[in-house]
Amino acid sequence: GQQVMQIPQYQHVQEGEDFTTYCNSSTTLSNIQWYKQRPGGHPVFLIQLVKSGEVKKQKRLTFQFGEAKKNSSLHITATQTTDVGTYFCAGLRGGSNYKLTFGKGTLLTVNP
Amino acid sequence: KAGVTQTPRYLIKTRGQQVTLSCSPISGHRSVSWYQQTPGQGLQFLFEYFSETQRNKGNFPGRFSGRQFSNSRSEMNVSTLELGDSALYLCASSLWGGATDTQYFGPGTRLTVL
Repeated sequence: GQQVMQIPQYQHVQEGEDFTTYCNSSTTLSNIQWYKQRPGGHPVFLIQLVKSGEVKKQKRLTFQFGEAKKNSSLHITATQTTDVGTYFCAGLRGGSNYKLTFGKGTLLTVNP
Repeated sequence: KAGVTQTPRYLIKTRGQQVTLSCSPISGHRSVSWYQQTPGQGLQFLFEYFSETQRNKGNFPGRFSGRQFSNSRSEMNVSTLELGDSALYLCASSLWGGATDTQYFGPGTRLTVL
């Protein structure tokens, strides 16, 4: 079945450093979504990418969708302590089977 | 608008028992999906309901079942609980469950099986 691999599993940075998490799918995706889950919280939708090669920005966050629609990345510039949490990618395969497959997430911790 | 609500928030059961979890979606949302979250396996899709019909299903045993009511509220049932069923169970709602819909997650029900 479809698998979505996400690396790294953990990332610890100093405040102000950049952070990137990568997501790779074994199959071509129709779209990819990114979520953030704060410790003790629930996943919160960040963004969705649909088009091949798409790049979207949200303030310090930059999201990319690969040309082959099989990989994606989330980059945070100049991390802040409020960025702490687990970042998940979730891929949706085309067709009528609406079933999001989540990566295992990257836990980001930020040292002030 | 009120967000997705889940009840109960915490639950402790013993092996062999059964449990029912409830999810109320955002008003107007007709699709409800259920996920199991564990430290080892991450977020795994259980099933999705739309208009009272199970539309998609993940790879979980038949002990996991669900249903959706005409008001879009959904329940999930786990029978014959096993220790490995201890997890955070999350439901998420969206307008239509379409490929580009945004999913909104509830706070989850933390189930502990002893």
